[in-house]
Amino acid sequence: EPEVTQTPSHQVTQMGQEVILRCVPISNHLYFYWYRQILGQKVEFLVSFYNNEISEKSEIFDDQFSVERPDGSNFTLKIRSTKLEDSAMYFCASSVRRTGDGYTFGSGTRLTVV
Amino acid sequence: GNSVTQMEGPVTLSEEAFLTINCTYTATGYPSLFWYVQYPGEGLQLLLKATKADDKGSNKGFEATYRKETTSFHLEKGSVQVSDSAVYFCASFLMEYGNKLVFGAGTILRVKS
Repeated sequence: EPEVTQTPSHQVTQMGQEVILRCVPISNHLYFYWYRQILGQKVEFLVSFYNNEISEKSEIFDDQFSVERPDGSNFTLKIRSTKLEDSAMYFCASSVRRTGDGYTFGSGTRLTVV
Repeated sequence: GNSVTQMEGPVTLSEEAFLTINCTYTATGYPSLFWYVQYPGEGLQLLLKATKADDKGSNKGFEATYRKETTSFHLEKGSVQVSDSAVYFCASFLMEYGNKLVFGAGTILRVKS
């Protein structure tokens, strides 16, 4: 069964450093998403991406965040200057349609900012 | 807005016990409703869904009924197994609020043999 692959599974970084979280969505999917979950809290939407541009973003997704699909297969989330409060589990997802079902999620990257 | 509230965990049950995890939604309209499950070390997987009032979603012995009158979508299973131990997330989707799933905080389920 097709999978969404995320790397690394765990990343530790120092405050102020840049991090790039990587995702390989399912090949025939058209919509791509990043969500995050701070420990013990809700899974929160960050951004959706379609046709090589951001289609929607949340208040969390400020100027420190950016997304890119550099080569037609990878989908990356960059945090320019990490803060302690960016520590969370980050989930990538992709879907064929924009109807809420048919999402496939990756297993997540746990980001720890120290 | 569109939001989801689910019961806090962890929920600890013995094998073959009955499971209920409560979920209620708040939305102006009728969202599609989902239960996702996350097994240890894995991603979020769709467990079941319902797209309109009175629909019942079911999968792997789990079921949930979309109740418009109580704005609820409670997850139930008649007899849990140790292998059901996981985190369960209720989620809603309403296009008027954008192309995104809105999740609850997740409920940890631990099943003891």
